Amino acid sequence: DIQMTQSPSSLSASVGDRVTITCRASQSISSYLNWYQQKPGKAPKLLIYAASSLQSGVPSRFSGSGSGTDFTLTISSLQPEDFATYYCQQSYSTPVAFGQGTKLEIK
Amino acid sequence: EVQLVESGGGLVQPGGSLRLSCAASGFTFSSYAMHWVRQAPGKGLEYVSAISSNGGSTYYANSVKGRFTISRDNSKNTLYLQMGSLRAEDMAVYYCARLTGEYNWFDPWGQGTLVTVSS
Repeated sequence: DIQMTQSPSSLSASVGDRVTITCRASQSISSYLNWYQQKPGKAPKLLIYAASSLQSGVPSRFSGSGSGTDFTLTISSLQPEDFATYYCQQSYSTPVAFGQGTKLEIK
Repeated sequence: EVQLVESGGGLVQPGGSLRLSCAASGFTFSSYAMHWVRQAPGKGLEYVSAISSNGGSTYYANSVKGRFTISRDNSKNTLYLQMGSLRAEDMAVYYCARLTGEYNWFDPWGQGTLVTVSS
């Protein structure tokens, strides 16, 4: 099974900061990498699919990059509503797998 | 509107059983594989089970294999998860989700249903 490792596990940042979250796969997954945002008490919400494609309705300050084993999610200028937990997910092979999450907190 | 709505969660004793349901609307349910993902309190997302569009193929995480059964009724646009021999570590919010697109992303997700395992 493919393992996904996110870093950091938590991150403190301020409104307006540029933030980058990293996700690494235990083997190559091409571009089969998706990113989700989850707020407390809510279901995850798709942000980025296929490593770099922005889901409809998601603000353009969110972007994704990478292929193979190393991927990043970048928020160019943090807004108050962006403080949440972010998960990567590989969909290259069964079983799909999630990273352990990155909790983004207000500094 | 594409929507998934879970139900059936609740309090159950260790060793007990529970059946979760996920009602789908707004899309051709019978054309999609469907999945269950759970999240224990304060923890991350764990992939639990999957079923193909016609129900002919299923997948279970090792943590639930032999205790949980996934099924679907395409005539009722409903997904099920029959959970048995429940343990404290099964306590979680259970989400159903549709896997879609060329690169297999989960969208939409249901709102989740909480399963509490406690005596």
